Amino acid sequence: AQTVTQSQPEMSVQEAETVTLSCTYDTSESDYYLFWYKQPPSRQMILVIRQEAYKQQNATENRFSVNFQKAAKSFSLKISDSQLGDAAMYFCAYRTSWNNAGNMLTFGGGTRLMVKP
Amino acid sequence: DSGVTQTPKHLITATGQRVTLRCSPRSGDLSVYWYQQSLDQGLQFLIQYYNGEERAKGNILERFSAQQFPDLHSELNLSSLELGDSALYFCASSSRGEQPQHFGDGTRLSIL
Repeated sequence: AQTVTQSQPEMSVQEAETVTLSCTYDTSESDYYLFWYKQPPSRQMILVIRQEAYKQQNATENRFSVNFQKAAKSFSLKISDSQLGDAAMYFCAYRTSWNNAGNMLTFGGGTRLMVKP
Repeated sequence: DSGVTQTPKHLITATGQRVTLRCSPRSGDLSVYWYQQSLDQGLQFLIQYYNGEERAKGNILERFSAQQFPDLHSELNLSSLELGDSALYFCASSSRGEQPQHFGDGTRLSIL
């Protein structure tokens, strides 16, 4: 079974600075998808960014980018120019590409990000 | 707004009772997923339906059941409720299995 580990329970960053959240995963599969979801205090789950394992290029969405290291099974999220609205829980998630197994997400334990003004 | 609608937003009930949580997926989405978020277990996958049929099962208790109806909405039934069932229950949907999942706002279930 796949597992996802987020080793940083809490992180803090100064407004306008850059922060990197770590995620590692364990899988025997060669093709899969990785995601970062944001959960603000409102409790919504918001998709931040997505990475397909077969793509070597790191995904980018505006101020959010990932560093995907397939061999190391590492998938970190970098937030540039941090804003107060970025304060939230961030979850890393894994999904197999093998549809016969279902398409469920396996989540890490989350990292709480605090943004200081 | 993700387009996924969950009702009710909050539910307070007692041990031993039975409740039904409802989810309407985004227009056109055929897959529906249920997840449980609790303090001790984190975010866990419960069950997936695709176009009315069960697709995958996770750590779903036997006291819990779900179904997806012809109009694609889904219901999660929780019975013989225990204190430990208190959690936030999310529904998510996707158009096809490989597409990203979009989450509803969740139903917060409190067992007294």
